[in-house]
Amino acid sequence: GAVVSQHPSWVICKSGTSVKIECRSLDFQATTMFWYRQFPKQSLMLMATSNEGSKATYEQGVEKDKFLINHASLTLSTLTVTSAHPEDSSFYICSARDSQREGIYEQYFGPGTRLTVT
Amino acid sequence: GQNIDQPTEMTATEGAIVQINCTYQTSGFNGLFWYQQHAGEAPTFLSYNVLDGLEEKGRFSSFLSRSKGYSYLLLKELQMKDSASYLCAVLPNDYKLSFGAGTTVTVRA
Repeated sequence: GAVVSQHPSWVICKSGTSVKIECRSLDFQATTMFWYRQFPKQSLMLMATSNEGSKATYEQGVEKDKFLINHASLTLSTLTVTSAHPEDSSFYICSARDSQREGIYEQYFGPGTRLTVT
Repeated sequence: GQNIDQPTEMTATEGAIVQINCTYQTSGFNGLFWYQQHAGEAPTFLSYNVLDGLEEKGRFSSFLSRSKGYSYLLLKELQMKDSASYLCAVLPNDYKLSFGAGTTVTVRA
């Protein structure tokens, strides 16, 4: 149980285009999902917290107009990187908490999406 | 902000024991997690400590001392497949996981 999927697993796009990444909780409901980015040999940096049915909460320094987050259902959150630039190339990882498990704060991580902007 | 420190790299021999230390200073504390991450993959859950003491789970054990802001992950009977990055993460008052930079463990034959 507690499986999170991400799609696509890797994507190459041209500078100036937009890319959408999907994060799905497959066997549980997730009111809250998180989006991270990770540069090579560095740790995970939280970008934003995605809340089902409401606006995402962005961490300091993360442009909300550039990284659009939509959490339209209890099992799906999407991250759209708009007007991508080479410096946006990174490993993007989502995670989710099981809404049914009150008081349990374990996060289940997706397999990640490798974005390369050329 | 949150401050979580762990060593950058550690090397050990197959069959040996390695201890990865983690110290933290955070705005509140609601538990500490250890994750394993292989290169290019997502982190996988190893352990969760919220009370002081040692939690043992097979070859892996995790220890917590809240008064000292300190935890360690103990890996016993090391295998080649244990070569990975190990992430210490703390859950502070805002309930958003804050990660350390990770410790890369290399297991040599």
